Amino acid sequence: DIQMTQSPSSLSASVGDRVTITCQASQDISNYLNWYQQKPGKAPNLLIGDASNLETGVPPRFSGSGYGTDFSLTISSLQPEDIATYYCQQYNNLPQTFGQGTKVEFK
Amino acid sequence: QVQLQEWGPGLVKPSETLSLTCTVSGYSISSGYYWAWVRQSPGKGLEWIGSIYYTGTTFHNPSLQSRVTVTVDTSKNQFSLRVKSVSAADTAIYYCVRQWHHWGQGTLVTVSS
Repeated sequence: DIQMTQSPSSLSASVGDRVTITCQASQDISNYLNWYQQKPGKAPNLLIGDASNLETGVPPRFSGSGYGTDFSLTISSLQPEDIATYYCQQYNNLPQTFGQGTKVEFK
Repeated sequence: QVQLQEWGPGLVKPSETLSLTCTVSGYSISSGYYWAWVRQSPGKGLEWIGSIYYTGTTFHNPSLQSRVTVTVDTSKNQFSLRVKSVSAADTAIYYCVRQWHHWGQGTLVTVSS
């Protein structure tokens, strides 16, 4: 199985801060990577597909980049509604696997 | 819009079979996409269980493959999950998903006697 390692596991930031979450795959996954946002009691919500394609309706302050084994999700200016846990997921190989999550909290 | 709703028992006894069904509305399963089951537990995070195409082609997570069956009923616009010989480790929130844009709200299944 491909292991997806996210860092950090949690972070504290202030409104307006630039936040970056990284995701490293244990082997090359090309650009077959999704990013999700999950709020408490809700299902994950797809933010970015194919490593960098913003889903319809997702604010442009979210962006994704990377290829191969190293990826990142950036929130350019953190907003109160962005407090959530973020997950990466690879779909290059079966089984499709998820990172362990990054919890974003307010400082 | 596309909506998915999981339903089934919330409590299953150890060694028995977990059965869940996902009803899809706003989209015909026969029109395409893969349809998946994903679970989430505090100990293991998000875990892909398996996926099915409307033709019946399935893929399963090898860690669960021998215990898992995913089926589709296009006439009812539903797909289903069965996990046999469950244990406490199978306690989780189970989601049905139209890969990967549309998720059900999730249903908690607890394995306990």
